[in-house]
Amino acid sequence: IQMTQSPSSLSASVGDRVTITCRASQTIMKYLHWYQQKPGKVPKVVISATSNLESGVPSRFSGSGSGTDFTLTITNLQPEDFATYYCQQSYSTPFTFGPGTKVDI
Amino acid sequence: QMQLQESGPGLVKPSETLSLTCNVSGGSITTPGYYWGWIRQPPGKGLEWIGNIYYSGSIYYNPSLRSRLTISSDSSKNQFSLRLSSVTAADTALYYCARLRPDNLAYDAFDIWGQGTMVTVSS
Repeated sequence: IQMTQSPSSLSASVGDRVTITCRASQTIMKYLHWYQQKPGKVPKVVISATSNLESGVPSRFSGSGSGTDFTLTITNLQPEDFATYYCQQSYSTPFTFGPGTKVDI
Repeated sequence: QMQLQESGPGLVKPSETLSLTCNVSGGSITTPGYYWGWIRQPPGKGLEWIGNIYYSGSIYYNPSLRSRLTISSDSSKNQFSLRLSSVTAADTALYYCARLRPDNLAYDAFDIWGQGTMVTVSS
């Protein structure tokens, strides 16, 4: 299953609303997860199974979608949110990640 | 809380075998339902899934690496391992181990990650 993300990068300001899209080449039901990776740091899951907010993740993060099209939305962007975001499907092996979306200032 | 820690050589010669171990603390790899996985990230690039293992022996490999890859686990040591043979410069990457949460029908997310270990393939 191929995963694509758009955009590949975006520039935003503190307080902005940001939307990242992920598309799967075939249906993956709800099995789409979003990871945040800051430079030099370990990826961290922020949204699992399309829309489940992980423990400790601020509520300004949300996810939606189904089937093949998914969205990660960050409202009221904060300085600590500037990072690269990857989507990943776990519907079937081989698991695949999207190429990433870099969110910078 | 649970922690994962990768260990292994940081430098491997071309054509040789890369061997890494992930030591799990604060929990057991035999916890029902949980798989354990390896993911890698070449410098400046994205994430690539390598494979998953269940403690009882069920293993899934990335087809692109299958012919060179062995993933195993040792419940007595609470660790799992990766061996990648015939390495080339393309295998140079930061290698992560991670815990894969269970789901009723498929698999959930990788929710706990090790810090990663950088492996460089060079003579």
